[in-house]
Amino acid sequence: DQQVKQNSPSLSVQEGRISILNCDYTNSMFDYFLWYKKYPAEGPTFLISISSIKDKNEDGRFTVFLNKSAKHLSLHIVPSQPGDSAVYFCAARLTGNQFYFGTGTSLTVIP
Amino acid sequence: GAVVSQHPSRVICKSGTSVKIECRSLDFQATTMFWYRQFPKQSLMLMATSNEGSKATYEQGVEKDKFLINHASLTLSTLTVTSAHPEDSSFYICSSEREAFFGQGTRLTVV
Repeated sequence: DQQVKQNSPSLSVQEGRISILNCDYTNSMFDYFLWYKKYPAEGPTFLISISSIKDKNEDGRFTVFLNKSAKHLSLHIVPSQPGDSAVYFCAARLTGNQFYFGTGTSLTVIP
Repeated sequence: GAVVSQHPSRVICKSGTSVKIECRSLDFQATTMFWYRQFPKQSLMLMATSNEGSKATYEQGVEKDKFLINHASLTLSTLTVTSAHPEDSSFYICSSEREAFFGQGTRLTVV
């Protein structure tokens, strides 16, 4: 049972434009959400997070939005850069630090 | 920031042998660490939760006798894949309890 879903396996964006990666979840008990960036054969790198009591968190070019009523979160990258090309995973946390991951979205930023 | 070091990054072993993967927390004490497995083009799947000084907690469907987890100290957790078979070939990743900082991952290939 996939509790965290990323329905777009891939996304291509022109350099300088906005990249929007989406994530949906089913469990209303998740209290913390995170985005990770991953290169092949490497462990994920933490990018940005948001608590369930907030609806937006911004860090430089990265902004995460949370819509609890829709059980949806998104990651906005603006402006997108070629170095942003990677697989992005969203993750949701239950209390006790148990994380559930989406299946990932492969982002390609075209120079 | 918190750093998790995982070793080895790659290992090739013969079918029937055992392989040990180490996960170390370098600048903090981790009472809990998590072990994940990733199949190609799939999400990270939680295998087990490693608890310092006590038995690991395994997710449903994960064979305890095949994937031995030891968390003997606050800085080291190990995963041993026993009697490895080709279907165990995968990417194994550990993470800490803090913001889920991840190790670099281990690519296991069983031939």
